[in-house]
Parts: sequence; structure tokens; C-alpha cells
Amino acid sequence: NAGVMQNPRHLVRRRGQEARLRCSPMKGHSHVYWYRQLPEEGLKFMVYLQKENIIDESGMPKERFSAEFPKEGPSILRIQQVVRGDSAAYFCASSPVRSSYNEQFFGPGTRLTVL
Amino acid sequence: SQQGEEDPQALSIQEGENATMNCSYKTSINNLQWYRQNSGRGLVHLILIRSNEREKHSGRLRVTLDTSKKSSSLLITASRAADTASYFCATGSLIQGAQKLVFGQGTRLTINP
Repeated sequence: NAGVMQNPRHLVRRRGQEARLRCSPMKGHSHVYWYRQLPEEGLKFMVYLQKENIIDESGMPKERFSAEFPKEGPSILRIQQVVRGDSAAYFCASSPVRSSYNEQFFGPGTRLTVL
Repeated sequence: SQQGEEDPQALSIQEGENATMNCSYKTSINNLQWYRQNSGRGLVHLILIRSNEREKHSGRLRVTLDTSKKSSSLLITASRAADTASYFCATGSLIQGAQKLVFGQGTRLTINP
């Protein structure tokens, strides 16, 4: 059973470009979470999705950021018109259905560098 | 200070010694989890302790939880060089039956050979 997969692992963008980060949860997991980690800091929750639904996006900036988890395919975190402050590691986690005490399984992360 | 704040921020000890890291939080929690992150890597889940539990063991790891003080500690016994990493506590709150984790800033642990 493959773990959570994220790609690309490293992404370099120039200011104003778009960044698309992909996350494939573990098999059988229908809950996906995105977190952002700035250098020397802990992870900050961004958004929680279930298939075709955004459940909580309270940690996501209102502008330029969007996330989706379609019925088929990976979850996508999209950052439009990137700025240098978007440079960070973005982690995706997944968990199985209907479990209140489960751990979240994290992917290896995508390191975004904005030039 | 934010939910799930670790103390100390950095810890350096000799191999074989025990390492203790503390975590404090502010609000009521469903559970508290500890994760490890090696430099430049993703997070690895270490242990989860529920709000109605006081102590839990897993191999060389021992976690305590004191809900009256809103604090937790992670003890790593007989440390090894491979334990060098950052350690994060995360508190779990429920959103529609699934968890939202709030992480602290972590403790950077260095084990010197």
C-alpha cells in the first residue's frame, strides 16, 4: 500500500506564475488535508477536503489560493500569481473515513521556491 | 502563544542520554499527537494519546498528557544519533468527524555521538 504521494517534490516558479501541487492520498483514504511549513516553523493548517467537497478552508488565504479534490484523480492545491512569500514546503496528509482518533499520514511535501 | 507550543526550541544531548520535550496547549483537545521530521523530509507519526489517557509507551518513547495543565511531554530513552530530528506536537480538534491538527513550532533535537 503506497503512502501519500505528492508531486512535484520541488517546484520553482517566478513571481506572477501559477503553481500546481498534487497530492494522491493513501488507498482507501477520502480525507485530505493541506498544510504549509515556513522555514524553521511548524506546519500550519490550510484546508481540509473530502471527495468533491471543501470542508474547512479557514487556514487558506482568501486570494490566489484554491484547492480541490475531484471524484477522480489527486487533490490539487493551486496558487495563482505566486509571490516570494509563498515559498515554503507544502504538505498533504490523508486519513481514512469516519475516524475521530486516527493519525494523519503525511506525504513527503512539495518545496516551492518563488524567484 | 499558539496552540501546541514546544519547549525547549532546541535540545542537544549525548548519545545514550534521555531526551525530554514538552508541549503546552490552550484549548480543549480530542487527542494530542507527536510527529518527527527529519531535515527536509515529511512528517512521521510517532504516537497519539487520547484526552482520557495519561501515559502511553511505544518502544523507547513515552508520552504523558496532563489535561488539567494542558501539557504533554515526550521522553525518548537511550537516545541514538538517528533520533536527530525536529519533533512536533499537534493537537487534534474535530471538524465534522475528522481532525484538524494544530502544530507547534517544534523542538530541534540533536544527538551527539
